[in-house]
Amino acid sequence: QITLKESGPTLVKPTQTLTLTCTLSGVSLSSGPVGVGWVRQAPGKALEWLAVIYWDDDYRYNPNLKSRLAVIRDPSKNQVILTVTNVDPMDTGTYFCAHEPYYYHASGYYSVAFDVWGQGTWVTVSS
Amino acid sequence: SSQLTQPPSVSVSPGQKVTISCSGDALRDTETAWYQQRPGQSPLLVIYQTNKRPSGIPERISGSKSGTIATLTISETQAVDEADYYCQAWDGTTHVLFGGGTKLSVL
Repeated sequence: QITLKESGPTLVKPTQTLTLTCTLSGVSLSSGPVGVGWVRQAPGKALEWLAVIYWDDDYRYNPNLKSRLAVIRDPSKNQVILTVTNVDPMDTGTYFCAHEPYYYHASGYYSVAFDVWGQGTWVTVSS
Repeated sequence: SSQLTQPPSVSVSPGQKVTISCSGDALRDTETAWYQQRPGQSPLLVIYQTNKRPSGIPERISGSKSGTIATLTISETQAVDEADYYCQAWDGTTHVLFGGGTKLSVL
């Protein structure tokens, strides 16, 4: 059974850097082909994709937030870490990590979808 | 920029069929996924690769696509189906897009 769990601070001040950790169990990010994505949700708002890191250490970011995001993985702990720099109250919300399996077809690898989600972690940005 | 458009809300009577649409140019070239999110819970994948159901999702939930419009259909809607539903696709092959979400009310 695959599970993911997010952890991190519940309160950060504006302009600070937010660091969130996603701990995976039941699957190794190194075994491939798999990715771990980060998705957030502001209060009462829609889901917003932030980033994904793949089994081969490649990654992608939401173009609208790219300058403020970084994602890395720690294979020794089976964790994925997301940092968001220069946070603002608009960054307040629930942050989810999700398991994203891939399949190979003809010209390359394609995502199946986010099939397992963590419980989410709430973050408030306020002074 | 690429985006996916959903109706903000739909309502249905118990036992009836309901459809939720998702439109966007990106849908022409990629698969679609749908997620159900009940209040206070994490999203749950209900449809992947446009029309496939994960294990445990009832057969009354189905997905389809025509051109740039994807559709989630729930037949014989039940009270437990009341939730927010989000469509998801890809912009090109790597960037993820979510729709704005549709609140389904079972009245």
